[in-house]
Amino acid sequence: QQQVKQSPQSLIVQKGGISIINCAYENTAFDYFPWYQQFPGKGPALLIAIRPDVSEKKEGRFTISFNKSAKQFSLHIMDSQPGDSATYFCAASKNSGAGSYQLTFGKGTKLSVIP
Amino acid sequence: GAVVSQHPSWVICKSGTSVKIECRSLDFQATTMFWYRQFPKQSLMLMATSNEGSKATYEQGVEKDKFLINHASLTLSTLTVTSAHPEDSSFYICSASLMWGYTFGSGTRLTVV
Repeated sequence: QQQVKQSPQSLIVQKGGISIINCAYENTAFDYFPWYQQFPGKGPALLIAIRPDVSEKKEGRFTISFNKSAKQFSLHIMDSQPGDSATYFCAASKNSGAGSYQLTFGKGTKLSVIP
Repeated sequence: GAVVSQHPSWVICKSGTSVKIECRSLDFQATTMFWYRQFPKQSLMLMATSNEGSKATYEQGVEKDKFLINHASLTLSTLTVTSAHPEDSSFYICSASLMWGYTFGSGTRLTVV
């Protein structure tokens, strides 16, 4: 049972455009929703995270939108740049991981930003 | 802050030998660490959860005798791939749980020849 579903699998965006990646979750006990950026051969790096008490969080060009009733959350990358080309993973966990709760990852989205 | 240092970043070993991967928390104490395996173009698959001073909890389908995890101190967790075979070739990543979230190591590319 896949608890976090991510789409699309791959995404091509022109430089300056908006990249949008969507995730849906099933477990209502999840209360921490991070997005990770991974470059080839590197570990995931935290991009931005949100908790269900807010509907949107923005950090620079990156915004998370969260819809608790629909159990969906999305990542928006504004003014996408070639340097943003990477694989993005959404994830979810309970209690921010405190108490040994593990992260459940989506399958990833490979983003390519073309000049 | 909250850096996890993972070594080695890549390793090539002969089939039948064992390989140890280390993850150290540099500026915090990691009570819980997670070990993941990632195949090319795929997501991270949790292998096991290790808690300092106790036995690791392995996910279903992960051979605990093959993937030995030791978390003897609050700053060091190790994963040893024993009697490695080519099918064990993969990208292994550790992660530590913090109060505010998680931090990941830079990963280890294991190639078994």
